Parts: sequence; C-alpha cells; structure tokens
Amino acid sequence: AQSVTQLDSHVSVSEGTPVLLRCNYSSSYSPSLFWYVQHPNKGLQLLLKYTSAATLVKGINGFEAEFKKSETSFHLTKPSAHMSDAAEYFCVVSDPSDMRFGAGTRLTVKP
Amino acid sequence: DTGVSQDPRHKITKRGQNVTFRCDPISEHNRLYWYRQTLGQGPEFLTYFQNEAQLEKSRLLSDRFSAERPKGSFSTLEIQRTEQGDSAMYLCASSGIQGWGTEAFFGQGTRLTVV
Repeated sequence: AQSVTQLDSHVSVSEGTPVLLRCNYSSSYSPSLFWYVQHPNKGLQLLLKYTSAATLVKGINGFEAEFKKSETSFHLTKPSAHMSDAAEYFCVVSDPSDMRFGAGTRLTVKP
Repeated sequence: DTGVSQDPRHKITKRGQNVTFRCDPISEHNRLYWYRQTLGQGPEFLTYFQNEAQLEKSRLLSDRFSAERPKGSFSTLEIQRTEQGDSAMYLCASSGIQGWGTEAFFGQGTRLTVV
C-alpha cells in the first residue's frame, strides 16, 4: 500500500519569489516519485521524476525536487516564480502495486 | 507516436445508461492506468493493467465499472447504469517498457456528464 500527502492545498506567492510545494509519501517499496503539473483545461504534464538515482532532481521550467528518504519527503521548489507557473501541481508515487496521486496544490502567482 | 489518445473527449448520457470509453496507449507501453478526476481533486486511481492482465483495482470501483485490455493494446472502461455521481473526467495513462519506475503519459481525458 502507498499514499501521498500534499501538505498545502493552496500556495500563493509573488512573482519573482521562491516556490515551495510540500509532499510526503509512504510506500512498502522503494518508490519512484514524480511531480506533474496541470494547467486549467489542459492535460497532465510531467515536471520531474526521481527513480533512485541522484536525490536532487531537476525538471522543466526551473523546478527542482529533493528526495529525502529519512523524512519520506519529495518537496518541489523553484527559486523564482513566474506568472505562467500558476497551475495545479500533483505529487505522485509509483511502485509495483500502482501509481497514486496526491490531492494537489494550487499555486497562485501574484504580480 | 502520437501519445495517449482517448475517445470520446466528451460524453453526455442519461442516468441509467451504459457508457464505454476507449484508450489507446503509446505503442509498446506495457502499463496502462485509468483514473477519475472530479473538479478540484487529484486523479483518483481506478485500475491498471500490465499488458493484458488487470493487476490492481481500486475498492472505490463498484461492480458497475469494468475495464478490459484485450491483447495488451487498447483498453476500454465501461460504466453500467450510470449515476450522477459518475460525472467526472476519466483519464488514461500509459508507462513504458522499463516497468513501474518510468513516468506515465496521460491522455486528454474523457469528460462524462450524467444528466
């Protein structure tokens, strides 16, 4: 069994300031972890993935995530938010049993 | 390779009718997933296939829901005797030949409205 908890349902930042979206997971295996983004009325797009290589993972559009096994966390960060980053972000855990999504974090970027 | 495709994109049906959705995964992807997403929620796992075998099915999936993946290629999701609570976006995804650790690619979804 596995689960994903996104600790914030909504995060609001100002343009140009850092972004932190938090994710904790549980899994009976050593899982693979992903972050997906969903813009309004658009499909799900992969931002980045962790598959047991480097613990600091770089993705598209300047996003990064760090896998911390001791904390069972996989938080998503970006040094400087852009207006186009406003979207819904999903943390996902995958293991041999299935692939589960967190409830999502809505990111709002203020000008 | 045109990605994951789902058909239809939209479906409006009357309560009590049966509906069937189709998903064509990326060719050679061995894993295929079905999810349901309602407004403001994350995708909710329904079921998944490895090749033609249905390996996991959510307890949330009532007996009215059935999925198939004959010959390990396309998949269908059927909902019998639809209810208004079935109204949602139904998403299909496939992932690659390297197994469960690879990322999933999503289709655009089928939006179901039960009236």
